[in-house]
Amino acid sequence: KAGVTQTPRYLIKTRGQQVTLSCSPISGHRSVSWYQQTPGQGLQFLFEYFSETQRNKGNFPGRFSGRQFSNSRSEMNVSTLELGDSALYLCASSLGGDRISGNTIYFGEGSWLTVV
Amino acid sequence: GENVEQHPSTLSVQEGDSAVIKCTYSDSASNYFPWYKQELGKRPQLIIDIRSNVGEKKDQRIAVTLNKTAKHFSLHITETQPEDSAVYFCAAGGTSYGKLTFGQGTILTVHP
Repeated sequence: KAGVTQTPRYLIKTRGQQVTLSCSPISGHRSVSWYQQTPGQGLQFLFEYFSETQRNKGNFPGRFSGRQFSNSRSEMNVSTLELGDSALYLCASSLGGDRISGNTIYFGEGSWLTVV
Repeated sequence: GENVEQHPSTLSVQEGDSAVIKCTYSDSASNYFPWYKQELGKRPQLIIDIRSNVGEKKDQRIAVTLNKTAKHFSLHITETQPEDSAVYFCAAGGTSYGKLTFGQGTILTVHP
């Protein structure tokens, strides 16, 4: 069974630009979450989608947005990029459903974003 | 919101020794506690998890213990091997969809 797939793996953008990252969850998983990983802040939750609806959101500015498609694939977008947005962006998938708790979360390899 | 503290930040052991990493959490409603291993440049990989209705769980050389009263949980690795060298993250969740709150990580180095 294929794991969580993220594209692109590496990208370099200029300040002020916008970027879109893509994620395909494990087959059968309907919940997709996004995390930002930086050396200073560690792993931080961005948002979670299930059945094309955002169910949860972390403490990030509105420049960070996402969406989920009917096939559970998800994209996240960062607009007006800042130097501090340089990070590893990780997508995670789980079965989801009505249960809030206990659904095992699996991470993809991530998208390395560098803002110059 | 939830806050997870992880100690130590670095841990160096000799091959064959045991390693213990400890985490505390603040939200008593948290009920799911996974541990992830992340090698350099790779994704966080789930190595073991425990739910709040269980006090201890073991998988070969890895074990996790949970003390709900004290709100802390620990990872135990026995008979460490050089390939155990990585960054280990604890996390707490189960109170909101898709969200895990992570500790700051422990860099484990196992010397041959």
